[in-house]
Amino acid sequence: DTGVSQNPRHKITKRGQNVTFRCDPISEHNRLYWYRQTLGQGPEFLTYFQNEAQLEKSRLLSDRFSAERPKGSFSTLEIQRTEQGDSAMYLCASSLVGYGYTFGSGTRLTVV
Amino acid sequence: RKEVEQDPGPFNVPEGATVAFNCTYSNSASQSFFWYRQDCRKEPKLLMSVYSSGNEDGRFTAQLNRASQYISLLIRDSKLSDSATYLCVVTGLPGEYGNKLVFGAGTILRVKS
Repeated sequence: DTGVSQNPRHKITKRGQNVTFRCDPISEHNRLYWYRQTLGQGPEFLTYFQNEAQLEKSRLLSDRFSAERPKGSFSTLEIQRTEQGDSAMYLCASSLVGYGYTFGSGTRLTVV
Repeated sequence: RKEVEQDPGPFNVPEGATVAFNCTYSNSASQSFFWYRQDCRKEPKLLMSVYSSGNEDGRFTAQLNRASQYISLLIRDSKLSDSATYLCVVTGLPGEYGNKLVFGAGTILRVKS
């Protein structure tokens, strides 16, 4: 286990379709975060899990977005009824409490 | 007002130049401070943490001024490989969002030969 893995790396979807992204964190990390980054901006916090519990969600996470981490290991982020404004890089990061983050390479979503 | 503000640049400098980036943050209770580096279409990577006493890592020096809520990064003897976006990052309140990171929009550095 050499890092945080995200799949797919790229996703092109038509407006209105649902998409799901997966993140596999570093195995011993108990915290997992999702961020979104649009062009020319820094990453923006979406949500975070400690083990399997989703402890906080940003106001950016509309009702069309849902995230899960069912067994406290990998996580999925689903976007329903995608809109063009959802086009962004979706970044996952993991950490141990009190330690720094490790980011995955991200999933780049393009909604056409 | 954004929580973390940076000059977006770009800063275009010749190799060997010294360049400084600044950043301000709005939450006076922020606990931890960092500079991250992000290459084009890649994930952010931690460059260095920032302490009130100032800290140095090779050609990079970071400084924090809590009273002014101001963070700086100095790069000496710039290399072509330093070309990237530099993100100023602070953490939220203890216990808030599990120590989430709040990013600035980034400053673009281009080092030219």
